[in-house]
Amino acid sequence: AQSVTQLDSQVPVFEEAPVELRCNYSSSVSVYLFWYVQYPNQGLQLLLKYLSGSTLVKGINGFEAEFNKSQTSFHLRKPSVHISDTAEYFCAVSEWLKAAGNKLTFGGGTRVLVKP
Amino acid sequence: EAGVTQFPSHSVIEKGQTVTLRCDPISGHDNLYWYRRVMGKEIKFLLHFVKESKQDESGMPNNRFLAERTGGTYSTLKVQPAELEDSGVYFCASSPQRGGTSEQYFGPGTRLTVT
Repeated sequence: AQSVTQLDSQVPVFEEAPVELRCNYSSSVSVYLFWYVQYPNQGLQLLLKYLSGSTLVKGINGFEAEFNKSQTSFHLRKPSVHISDTAEYFCAVSEWLKAAGNKLTFGGGTRVLVKP
Repeated sequence: EAGVTQFPSHSVIEKGQTVTLRCDPISGHDNLYWYRRVMGKEIKFLLHFVKESKQDESGMPNNRFLAERTGGTYSTLKVQPAELEDSGVYFCASSPQRGGTSEQYFGPGTRLTVT
């Protein structure tokens, strides 16, 4: 079984400032890692994913995340946020190489509020 | 290409009543997932269809929940009878391929309120 912890439930940040959203996971097997974003009144949208290879993953809208296996973390960063980045962000994992399907295990979400 | 759609967007029902939620996945996507987010909690997996077959229903909370995917296209999730703790947002997602690398595309969710 897997579990995902997002350490911050809310993160206020000023426009053009950097932001980091923390995610730690626990799993007895190897996992794939994902960050999803939910804008108001919309479904979840994939920001980026780590499957294998380089531990620094770049996603859409200027976001990036770094996989740290020893610390079982997958923190999300953006060097300069915009008002439009106001949303809820979800870290998720799925079991590695599981052929039968990839149900996602989510963290509790982090609400980012970008202030002008 | 149309995304994943869910109907209704909101539903308010009384305890003991029945509600049916519908999900239309992206055309051609064999995998369909249901998730639920209870207020203040994380999004939790309910079940997974591959075409019309239930691949994994380990997340279904109890036998008051019945999911179907006739013909391998749209899916319905029926709650009968509804209880207060069933309130939350129900998300549907679809993906084209099996295996852990495939991105899941989410619908906007159905907000269910049981009073």
